[in-house]
Amino acid sequence: AQKVTQAQTEISVVEKEDVTLDCVYETRDTTYYLFWYKQPPSGELVFLIRRNSFDEQNEISGRYSWNFQKSTSSFNFTITASQVVDSAVYFCALNSNSGYALNFGKGTSLLVTP
Amino acid sequence: KAGVTQTPRYLIKTRGQQVTLSCSPISGHRSVSWYQQTPGQGLQFLFEYFSETQRNKGNFPGRFSGRQFSNSRSEMNVSTLELGDSALYLCASSLETSGGVTDTQYFGPGTRLTVL
Repeated sequence: AQKVTQAQTEISVVEKEDVTLDCVYETRDTTYYLFWYKQPPSGELVFLIRRNSFDEQNEISGRYSWNFQKSTSSFNFTITASQVVDSAVYFCALNSNSGYALNFGKGTSLLVTP
Repeated sequence: KAGVTQTPRYLIKTRGQQVTLSCSPISGHRSVSWYQQTPGQGLQFLFEYFSETQRNKGNFPGRFSGRQFSNSRSEMNVSTLELGDSALYLCASSLETSGGVTDTQYFGPGTRLTVL
C-alpha cells in the first residue's frame, strides 16, 4: 500500500519568512515518483515538481527548493522569502508503475500575511 | 498550448438525479484521470482511461462511471446522486507515451458539484 503523510495541516507565516512543508511517504515499490502540487483558492491543482525515486538530487527553482531523502522517505518543500501570493494549499503526491493513480497527502494550508 | 478544460465549472443537482461531467485533455495527451476532492476525504482517485480503456479504478461505488472517446476527451457520470457526492471533481491528463513510465498529470480547474 502507498501512503503520503503531510503532518502540518496549517502554517501561518509573515511575508519574507522561510517556510518548509513536510512530506513523508510509504511505498513498497522500488520505482516511484513524487510530486508537489499547489492549489490556490481558485481550485485548480498546479504542478510544481516531479522527482523520480532513482534521482535524489535536490532541486531549486527560484524561491522554491525541494529536499528528497530516500533514507527517511521524505520529500520536503521549502519556500524562501515567502510572499502573499504563495498562500495556497500544497499537496504532496506519490505514484508508481504499479498503478496510474496519484496518492495524495491531506495537504498543508499555507497562509502568508503581509 | 491550452491546458486541461472541464465543463461545466459549477453544477447544482438534487438527490436522485444523475450528472455528466466533461474533460478535454491537453492536446496530445492520451491518458485522463479523475479525482474527487472533499473536505473530509481529501483527494481521492476515481478512475483512469487510456486509449478508450479504463486501466485503473478507485474505491468508489458503481454509481460512478466514466468513458473516454477516440479524441481522448473523457466524461464521467454519477447516477442517483447522494448528498455526499457534493465535491470538486478534478480531471487530469498526461502524455503516457512510454510503457511503464509514469508521466506527470496536469489538472484542470475542476467542476464543483453541489447536491441538494
